[in-house]
Amino acid sequence: DQQVKQNSPSLSVQEGRISILNCDYTNSMFDYFLWYKKYPAEGPTFLISISSIKDKNEDGRFTVFLNKSAKHLSLHIVPSQPGDSAVYFCAAISSNTGKLIFGQGTTLQVKP
Amino acid sequence: GAGVSQSPSNKVTEKGKDVELRCDPISGHTALYWYRQSLGQGLEFLIYFQGNSAPDKSGLPSDRFSAERTGGSVSTLTIQRTQQEDSAVYLCASSLLGVTTYNEQFFGPGTRLTVL
Repeated sequence: DQQVKQNSPSLSVQEGRISILNCDYTNSMFDYFLWYKKYPAEGPTFLISISSIKDKNEDGRFTVFLNKSAKHLSLHIVPSQPGDSAVYFCAAISSNTGKLIFGQGTTLQVKP
Repeated sequence: GAGVSQSPSNKVTEKGKDVELRCDPISGHTALYWYRQSLGQGLEFLIYFQGNSAPDKSGLPSDRFSAERTGGSVSTLTIQRTQQEDSAVYLCASSLLGVTTYNEQFFGPGTRLTVL
């Protein structure tokens, strides 16, 4: 039972354009959603998060949107840079369990 | 300061052998987590420790997997009688506070396990 899904395994965008990474979830008990970025041979690093009581959180070039009714969140990166090329994992957590549930990841390639 | 470290970085073993994977969390972090990432899959939660105790072991794939944490610091994940399907990258993370409150998890670089 995949509670967090990233249906696009890969995404390619041109430098300077917007990258939109999508994530869907099924568990309405999740109260925090996070995006992690992972380079090869490194562990994931935290990028940005959003509480379930909000619908938008912005940090520089990165914005996360949450649509609770659709159980959908997205990460927008604008403008995209070649250094953003990595695997992006969506994750969700329910504070009463403490388990961080990850999606399968989306590989983003930003072309110069 | 030092981040989460894991050793070894790579481990190749033969089917049926036992392996031990080590995780050194960030000093002072009370919670420690183990995940694995199989080829083409997302990160799969295995187990977490609050201090030295593991309240939730439901993520461990089978009874061949066990983990312990001593002194509220170092943790060891042990896989007995390894199988080829155990091949994966095993990631460890730690967080400052316990799991009852959301707080950021910091990940180590992982151990790549290959079972021949």
